[in-house]
Amino acid sequence: QSALTQPASVSGSPGQSITISCTGTSSDVGSYNLVSWYQQHPGKAPKLMIYEGSKRPSGVSNRFSGSKSGNTASLTISGLQAEDEADYYCCSYAGSSFWVFGGGTKLTVL
Amino acid sequence: EVQLVETGGGLIQPGGSLRLSCAASGFTVSSNYMSWVRQAPGKGLEWVSVIYSGGSTYYADSVKGRFTISRDNSKNTLYLQMNSLRAEDTAVYYCASLLRGYAFDIWGQGTMVTVSS
Repeated sequence: QSALTQPASVSGSPGQSITISCTGTSSDVGSYNLVSWYQQHPGKAPKLMIYEGSKRPSGVSNRFSGSKSGNTASLTISGLQAEDEADYYCCSYAGSSFWVFGGGTKLTVL
Repeated sequence: EVQLVETGGGLIQPGGSLRLSCAASGFTVSSNYMSWVRQAPGKGLEWVSVIYSGGSTYYADSVKGRFTISRDNSKNTLYLQMNSLRAEDTAVYYCASLLRGYAFDIWGQGTMVTVSS
């Protein structure tokens, strides 16, 4: 299983919106609506932000949203805030009890 | 409160063995899917293994045949037995629950494993 493809970095100013893409294949992202997104601050454990493509766990801000088109999933953060600066990882169930993560995207809030 | 606490990391020589533990509170390990995910220094996340509520286990190709995931229902604890360790196994190891089925929703704080002579 190859890692999902994410941009290495994205940036935006406070109040703006940004989108992080996550490209897989027809065997993972394209086959299942089971993409999840994680936020990780330096030295901390990852935190689930989006699951099943577009669902938010309780307590996660509605500024975070997820979507999917074909083999590409996306995470959009609207109304950027300083505390959103972190690494973001996508993950997809890939069938046969395997999961695959993306390489991660560093979000910088300018 | 739902919580996971990992222990057992440390410095180990190549070829050695180590067992990681992950104690759960606030939910029952045996009733849920549980996983291990690792992160090499400065690198991204890598799924390692999963154990289903029915007891079936699965592994990433990179650790298959060397690592074993298990649980102790009486202690509500998840384990990862790591044998034949290699330098490339050096990472922070996180245990995570999949209470929602296919997403890693609760994470432990992680435990560092360093494989070096």
